[in-house]
Amino acid sequence: GDSVTQMEGPVTLSEEAFLTINCTYTATGYPSLFWYVQYPGEGLQLLLKATKADDKGSNKGFEATYRKETTSFHLEKGSVQVSDSAVYFCALSRSGGYNKLIFGAGTRLAVHP
Amino acid sequence: EAGVAQSPRYKIIEKRQSVAFWCNPISGHATLYWYQQILGQGPKLLIQFQNNGVVDDSQLPKDRFSAERLKGVDSTLKIQPAKLEDSAVYLCASSDGTGGNQPQHFGDGTRLSIL
Repeated sequence: GDSVTQMEGPVTLSEEAFLTINCTYTATGYPSLFWYVQYPGEGLQLLLKATKADDKGSNKGFEATYRKETTSFHLEKGSVQVSDSAVYFCALSRSGGYNKLIFGAGTRLAVHP
Repeated sequence: EAGVAQSPRYKIIEKRQSVAFWCNPISGHATLYWYQQILGQGPKLLIQFQNNGVVDDSQLPKDRFSAERLKGVDSTLKIQPAKLEDSAVYLCASSDGTGGNQPQHFGDGTRLSIL
């Protein structure tokens, strides 16, 4: 079945460091790919998305490129801030699948001053 | 616009008791989802409604979980009787449609603890 695999956390970085969180997926067809962020005590917020191969999603300095050849959607940010500390979830939605989201286990990011 | 509203925020019950959660989606959103998020895991879809009809409930433990969305607006999720493994955060989300790239908007969730 469809699945999403993320790198295990926690990821601990100093402010202004470069961030990469790896995400790979298994799915039939051509899924849409998403990154969601969850701040403590809150629900999930959509961070960015890509709907077809080679698309790049971007928002708030975060970027991810849909790589069909490697079935990956890695999240990157050039310079993280303390306020980026949160749990990040990679997810997919299969075309024709009624928009059901399948999530990875999440990666906790902690950024220190 | 107002976001997805959920209540209560926290609930503590003993095993074998019953509990209910409420969700009010974003106005005009036809599709409503209930997810279960166990600590350390990503959310898992329990049930999805399109207006007041069920689209997907394949992962809903139907012997103890039930959900309804009367009038195609707000929704309730019930657990009866609760088990220890039901301890989780229950997230409600809504979207404007069911297309594969429609963003889902999440509420803050209800954290359920079973003693």
